[in-house]
Amino acid sequence: TQLLEQSPQFLSIQEGENLTVYCNSSSVFSSLQWYRQEPGEGPVLLVTVVTGGEVKKLKRLTFQFGDARKDSSLHITAAQTGDTGLYLCAGEGSARQLTFGSGTQLTVLP
Amino acid sequence: EAGVVQSPRYKIIEKKQPVAFWCNPISGHNTLYWYLQNLGQGPELLIRYENEEAVDDSQLPKDRFSAERLKGVDSTLKIQPAELGDSAVYLCASSLGTGSEQYFGPGTRLTVT
Repeated sequence: TQLLEQSPQFLSIQEGENLTVYCNSSSVFSSLQWYRQEPGEGPVLLVTVVTGGEVKKLKRLTFQFGDARKDSSLHITAAQTGDTGLYLCAGEGSARQLTFGSGTQLTVLP
Repeated sequence: EAGVVQSPRYKIIEKKQPVAFWCNPISGHNTLYWYLQNLGQGPELLIRYENEEAVDDSQLPKDRFSAERLKGVDSTLKIQPAELGDSAVYLCASSLGTGSEQYFGPGTRLTVT
């Protein structure tokens, strides 16, 4: 069974601060996806990283896939209240199934 | 274009009662997924359909859970009988095919009392 651990589980910061969320596994994934989920809604895909060492930027969000394709990070610069939500990483295994991490609940305070 | 539609959005039942959830995927999406999400956790796959065929149901508790996608379009997930531990959000997702981007519905929040 492939497991993904996310840290921290909870994060509360002030608007304007920077933060990093981590997603770690002992397994290798063919790709890794990051989602954001708001209360009462399903997860929405933010980005997919495929190549080891790959870095993708989405406005103030920077995603990195580890060289060994076992871990990933999400960095948010100058967080805004609209960034509040549950951030989920998900790894795609050899059978193309997704394994989700446990999530990081981010709260950005005004 | 409409997204993934799920109903009901909320359901409260007593333990040992049956319950059913319905999902209509995005038009043209051949792959449909049912996930279970506990509070503050990531979704866990219950079953995946390719058209009308269940291709991955290894995580579906088959003693009480069942699912169907008879015509390869909409799908129903049933629990009978429900237990207290089944309280969770049941998410449906669809994609063009396995490995393609998954689009999630808003989920059905089930409370078993």
